[in-house]
Amino acid sequence: DQQVKQNSPSLSVQEGRISILNCDYTNSMFDYFLWYKKYPAEGPTFLISISSIKDKNEDGRFTVFLNKSAKHLSLHIVPSQPGDSAVYFCAASAIGGTSYGKLTFGQGTILTVHP
Amino acid sequence: DADVTQTPRNRITKTGKRIMLECSQTKGHDRMYWYRQDPGLGLQLIYYSFDVKDINKGEISDGYSVSRQAQAKFSLSLESAIPNQTALYFCATSDSLLAGKQFFGPGTRLTVL
Repeated sequence: DQQVKQNSPSLSVQEGRISILNCDYTNSMFDYFLWYKKYPAEGPTFLISISSIKDKNEDGRFTVFLNKSAKHLSLHIVPSQPGDSAVYFCAASAIGGTSYGKLTFGQGTILTVHP
Repeated sequence: DADVTQTPRNRITKTGKRIMLECSQTKGHDRMYWYRQDPGLGLQLIYYSFDVKDINKGEISDGYSVSRQAQAKFSLSLESAIPNQTALYFCATSDSLLAGKQFFGPGTRLTVL
């Protein structure tokens, strides 16, 4: 059973516009969420995270929103740039207990930003 | 220099062969992880280690084994490789205080013929 789902395999956006990537989770024990970005031939790199005590976290052009009741989070990129073209992975973790640090990843969304 | 390195970067092998993938880190982190990535499936956790004496199975450990030789080194072995182990393999590290924020190596592309 996929506990973290990214239902859009790909997203295409024009440069300067907003990119919105979505992620849903089913495990109510998850309380820490992260987004990773991956370029071809490289490992994923950490982008932004959010704890379940918040509903929004912002870092420059990147904002993550968390809706706990809907078990949904989204990543907003404004404005989108061609260099943002990459695969974006959503990940979730449970801070408490022995499983802290174990990440469960979504399938990834390929973002293409056109000039 | 890269903080998390993986060797080899690419490997082609035959069914039944023993393969070892190696990971080294200079970040001083105590936690290390092995993932595999298959198209459309994201990253799946194979094994993880929270310190040198701690080894834990992940979601898909069957057919794999690991060794934590030192704090900085974590190797993944395929005792008898099979074609459906063809995938991209990533090593990652994290600090125990910020365990969710993991740092990944560049990956090893393994092909089993």
